Amino acid sequence: QKEVEQNSGPLSVPEGAIASLNCTYSDRGSQSFFWYRQYSGKSPELIMFIYSNGDKEDGRFTAQLNKASQYVSLLIRDSQPSDSATYLCAVNSGGYQKVTFGTGTKLQVIP
Amino acid sequence: DGGITQSPKYLFRKEGQNVTLSCEQNLNHDAMYWYRQDPGQGLRLIYYSQIVNDFQKGDIAEGYSVSREKKESFPLTVTSAQKNPTAFYLCASSNREWEQYFGPGTRLTVT
Repeated sequence: QKEVEQNSGPLSVPEGAIASLNCTYSDRGSQSFFWYRQYSGKSPELIMFIYSNGDKEDGRFTAQLNKASQYVSLLIRDSQPSDSATYLCAVNSGGYQKVTFGTGTKLQVIP
Repeated sequence: DGGITQSPKYLFRKEGQNVTLSCEQNLNHDAMYWYRQDPGQGLRLIYYSQIVNDFQKGDIAEGYSVSREKKESFPLTVTSAQKNPTAFYLCASSNREWEQYFGPGTRLTVT
């Protein structure tokens, strides 16, 4: 059973701080890793993807991947109240049908 | 603008009725997907299609049916056989790098 685990939260951080969201996965064959942001009542929006070990930065977002530890994280710098949402981790282990989503971490940025 | 559209946004049906949810994309993506999301839960795959005139069951296909007659369109029918059809239904499409992009969703309520 392939699993993607996330802490459901809520994770509360003050405005301007760094928010750190974590995700672990069980399938060592996983190849592609994605972070989605989902506002309440809305559909998920792809914000980051990473395929190789290491860090990938895009604006205030940094995705970190460690395949040996089966761990992927998302850092949000200078957190804003508009970042308050649920963040879904998704992992692809090969093929069109093999994307598994975590249940998401709810982030609250406190003004 | 390229994107994925779903209609309607809200749908109300009586128990025992079949209902069809529309999904259209103009991203020129080969693969399309249908997911179901229940409150506090992750996304669960209903059906996916890699190419026109071909589709595969996902994890929870019972009580659902799909068709893929055109590359741009992937409608989902929720049949009366689906025991708990009330949910948020999300359509997505992906490129070959498995990055999935979601439509705005259809919220179905069956009473």
